[in-house]
Amino acid sequence: NAGVMQNPRHLVRRRGQEARLRCSPVKGHSHVYWYRQLPEEGLKFMVYLQKENIIDESGMPKERFSAEFPKEGPSILRIQQVVRGDSAAYFCASSPRTDNQPQHFGDGTRLSIL
Amino acid sequence: EDQVTQSPEALRLQEGESSSLNCSYTVSGLRGLFWYRQDPGKGPEFLFTLYSAGEEKEKERLKATLTKKESFLHITAPKPEDSATYLCAVQAGNTGKLIFGQGTTLQVKP
Repeated sequence: NAGVMQNPRHLVRRRGQEARLRCSPVKGHSHVYWYRQLPEEGLKFMVYLQKENIIDESGMPKERFSAEFPKEGPSILRIQQVVRGDSAAYFCASSPRTDNQPQHFGDGTRLSIL
Repeated sequence: EDQVTQSPEALRLQEGESSSLNCSYTVSGLRGLFWYRQDPGKGPEFLFTLYSAGEEKEKERLKATLTKKESFLHITAPKPEDSATYLCAVQAGNTGKLIFGQGTTLQVKP
């Protein structure tokens, strides 16, 4: 069984460019979550999506960040006009349902901003 | 505000030296408490889910327990391969988001 797949594993961008991070959940999982891990900090929730719907985006910065989970294809986390402070590891997780089910994580995308 | 605090931040053990990691939480409407293991450069790997006070779960050398205010991860006779960062997270409210603690980095020396 394939786990959560994230790509790319490493992404380097210059300030002002766009970053697109992709996440394919575990087969059969319809709930996707994005978390960010800043250097020397813990994992912080960003957004929770189901197919074609954003359920909770309370952890998303108000500007430059967006997420989608289309009917077909992977979930995408998009960061526009990146700044140095966006450098972090971004993790995606998926679960089959919301209620108390463990979330299974991918190995993350390490984003570096030059 | 929902909050999770783990202690200690770092723990060094000799192989075979048992110990416990603590996770204290303040949350309204706990739906589940989760323990994960994270190795460098990897994503968190699921270990246990605990749902109610008094519950215990075991897996090899690890045992997780839960009270109304905290959870413990007991490590019995650890081996070097148990070295990792152990993360505690709680799930509360109506959405599935997890609130993580800062983690405990465990190093087991042979």
